[in-house]
Amino acid sequence: AQSVTQLDSHVSVSEGTPVLLRCNYSSSYSPSLFWYVQHPNKGLQLLLKYTSAATLVKGINGFEAEFKKSETSFHLTKPSAHMSDAAEYFCVVSDQQAGTALIFGKGTTLSVSS
Amino acid sequence: DTEVTQTPKHLVMGMTNKKSLKCEQHMGHRAMYWYKQKAKKPPELMFVYSYEKLSINESVPSRFSPECPNSSLLNLHLHALQPEDSALYLCASSQDPGTQALVGNTIYFGEGSWLTVV
Repeated sequence: AQSVTQLDSHVSVSEGTPVLLRCNYSSSYSPSLFWYVQHPNKGLQLLLKYTSAATLVKGINGFEAEFKKSETSFHLTKPSAHMSDAAEYFCVVSDQQAGTALIFGKGTTLSVSS
Repeated sequence: DTEVTQTPKHLVMGMTNKKSLKCEQHMGHRAMYWYKQKAKKPPELMFVYSYEKLSINESVPSRFSPECPNSSLLNLHLHALQPEDSALYLCASSQDPGTQALVGNTIYFGEGSWLTVV
């Protein structure tokens, strides 16, 4: 069965320091993996996606994620946090066996202080 | 253009009211979705439409009634809701329902409709 575990419910960083949001997945097939961001009182915006091409995926706003099959991880990183990065981040997995369903992680709240 | 448009942005309704949420996309996507999101929680899938036909109903109570009038529009009709139904309702779409989340197939979300049931 598929599952997604976001290892931190809350991450706090200072502006200008690196961001690391951790995600582990379990999938019985070749998964597609996504990171979505949700700013307060907004919908979900796609940050990046992995679909079996390059294992290092670059997304919007300077974010990137690396797919590591041996570690079943898909951690999200950014070299330097901005205040505007403060939001909720969801790691999401889907594979062919799941049909049309997306499996969401519980989310990580990123706080950025000045 | 990767836009999914939802109206209204905010809706307050009584438990005896009938109201509707609307969703529109012009990306040529053939799969459309309704999700429900409570505060501080991930979205939960409610319904999936594939080629304008209901393909998934995640055991949603009948007080929620989806409708897909054409390939660009998705409605969610609401009747006799309960206060616990208050939530953010997200509409989404993707290109090909048969191969969702495969290469090049991404689900795009709208901004959501905030529903409060009083």
